[in-house]
Amino acid sequence: DIQMTQSPSSLSASVGDRVTIICQASQDISNYLNWFQQKPGKAPKLLIYDASNLETGVPSRFSGSGSGTNFTFTISSLQPEDIATYYCQQYVHLLTFGPGTKVDI
Amino acid sequence: QVQLVESGGGVVQPGRSLRLSCAASGFTFSNYGMHWVRQAPGKGLEWVALTYYDGGNKYYAESVKGRFTISRDNSKNTLYLQMNSLRAEDTALYYCAKDRGLAAGPDYWGQGTLVTVSS
Repeated sequence: DIQMTQSPSSLSASVGDRVTIICQASQDISNYLNWFQQKPGKAPKLLIYDASNLETGVPSRFSGSGSGTNFTFTISSLQPEDIATYYCQQYVHLLTFGPGTKVDI
Repeated sequence: QVQLVESGGGVVQPGRSLRLSCAASGFTFSNYGMHWVRQAPGKGLEWVALTYYDGGNKYYAESVKGRFTISRDNSKNTLYLQMNSLRAEDTALYYCAKDRGLAAGPDYWGQGTLVTVSS
């Protein structure tokens, strides 16, 4: 099974800050990685697919990069509405989600 | 627009069964794979099962293999999850989600249905 880790598990930042989340896979997953945002009490929302592609309608302050085993998710300028938990997810072999990163202001 | 509406959740005793349904609309259901993903209270997301567009290929997480069965009725645009031999650790909010294509993971999600396994 492919294991996914994320760091940090939580972070607190100010409005306007640049926020970076790291996701690591236990083996090479090429670019078979998605990023989701989940706000409290809501269903997850796809933000980034194939490691670096922005889903239609998602603000450009969100971005993703990486390949192989190391991936980065960035919010270039944190906004109040970005308060959420962010999950990475691999799909090279079935699906595995990372444990999540909770972002607060 | 894509809509996914889950139903069938509730409180069930350990060892009993429950069937969840997910009614899909706003896209050609028979063209896409579908997932079940669950989230225990206060915990992260756990993928449960995937069925391909025609129901011919089905895959399960190890934690539910042999107890849960995913199925679909393309004539009714409906996805199902039959859950048998339920355990306390199956307590979760169960989401159905549309696959992006080629088993590339979910893009659209329903709002979930809550399953509580308790005596």
